[in-house]
Amino acid sequence: EAQVTQNPRYLITVTGKKLTVTCSQNMNHEYMSWYRQDPGLGLRQIYYSMNVEVTDKGDVPEGYKVSRKEKRNFPLILESPSPNQTSLYFCASSLSPAGPGNTIYFGEGSWLTVV
Amino acid sequence: LAKTTQPISMDSYEGQEVNITCSHNNIATNDYITWYQQFPSQGPRFIIQGYKTKVTNEVASLFIPADRKSSTLSLPRVSLSDTAVYYCLVGDENRDDKIIFGKGTRLHILP
Repeated sequence: EAQVTQNPRYLITVTGKKLTVTCSQNMNHEYMSWYRQDPGLGLRQIYYSMNVEVTDKGDVPEGYKVSRKEKRNFPLILESPSPNQTSLYFCASSLSPAGPGNTIYFGEGSWLTVV
Repeated sequence: LAKTTQPISMDSYEGQEVNITCSHNNIATNDYITWYQQFPSQGPRFIIQGYKTKVTNEVASLFIPADRKSSTLSLPRVSLSDTAVYYCLVGDENRDDKIIFGKGTRLHILP
């Protein structure tokens, strides 16, 4: 079964305490990305990766880091979380960003609260 | 991806056919049009994709006029469970890297 798995699903943390949200896909997809979703702002792309060791900034990268050491994994790192990073986060993967036959698969989401 | 414009929200009633239109005036020759559906607190999921004319699957139909500057997602006989946000994406694998979902159209189905 095609899956994008992200962990943790729910997390409450304190300002400044480094955290990592993991993401793993089992479809051998080259393209992976992270989004945050806030009320009234829709889905905004944080970072994306076209392939192993290739990452680039999306629309809202400030305060986040990513790495792509293996094709299946794309962790999101918050080095020093702040309350404005409280949000619902989604990891996604697909063969490519767009195009014929391309489907983007999303994880179940990670609710992050920074106090 | 090409810039798209959708209505912010729509209301309809159970049993009605709902049409959501997306404008994409700058669509390129190789761009495909893809629609996603998102329920509250879940990730979006693929509904339908097309290039021109009409595409139909078990969930929806997608109508694309000859100039391809817009597309219409048609949901037949909606139910309360169709209440969701619908996103229109337009792009080409060889040209695009970022994916922009935007705010989508919030569809609210009333009993």
